[in-house]
Amino acid sequence: AQSVTQLDSHVSVSEGTPVLLRCNYSSSYSPSLFWYVQHPNKGLQLLLKYTSAATLVKGINGFEAEFKKSETSFHLTKPSAHMSDAAEYFCVVSDRESDFGNEKLTFGTGTRLTIIP
Amino acid sequence: DTGVSQDPRHKITKRGQNVTFRCDPISEHNRLYWYRQTLGQGPEFLTYFQNEAQLEKSRLLSDRFSAERPKGSFSTLEIQRTEQGDSAMYLCASSLVPSSNEQFFGPGTRLTVL
Repeated sequence: AQSVTQLDSHVSVSEGTPVLLRCNYSSSYSPSLFWYVQHPNKGLQLLLKYTSAATLVKGINGFEAEFKKSETSFHLTKPSAHMSDAAEYFCVVSDRESDFGNEKLTFGTGTRLTIIP
Repeated sequence: DTGVSQDPRHKITKRGQNVTFRCDPISEHNRLYWYRQTLGQGPEFLTYFQNEAQLEKSRLLSDRFSAERPKGSFSTLEIQRTEQGDSAMYLCASSLVPSSNEQFFGPGTRLTVL
């Protein structure tokens, strides 16, 4: 069974300072890992994904995440926060037994990021 | 707009009524997923289709829930005899396998059961 733990339900940072959103995962197979962002009244948007290629993954809007198998972590970072980054962030894991297996996503409970002006 | 669309965006109903939601995936996407998101939680998997075949259902999907994708394009999710606990955001996503495992999400249908 797969699962995701987002270690912080709320994170507040000042504009221009670094962002760190923490995520640990559990997976029976070789996992794919994702970070999605959800702005108020908008749909989920994919920030970045890891699918067994490079362990440091770069995404949109300056975000990146590093896959660390030994720590079962996939933390999301950004060097400098912007006001527009305020949103809910979800760490997501997907197990895939084969190319045609079910790729249902298992979401964490989310981290609400607040940016202080 | 060529993204995933869902209709209606909002639905308010009384307990015991039946409701039906529609999802139109990205054209040519062969996979279609339904998720449910309650307040303060992440989305939870409900069911998915490969073309017109429904291949897996979560135990969250009680007998009152039914989903179809009759022609392998759009999908409907019906909830019979709604209960207040059904109040949630219902999300649809689509993907094209095996080319990519990225799921594209629609804006969701927010259901309120009074």
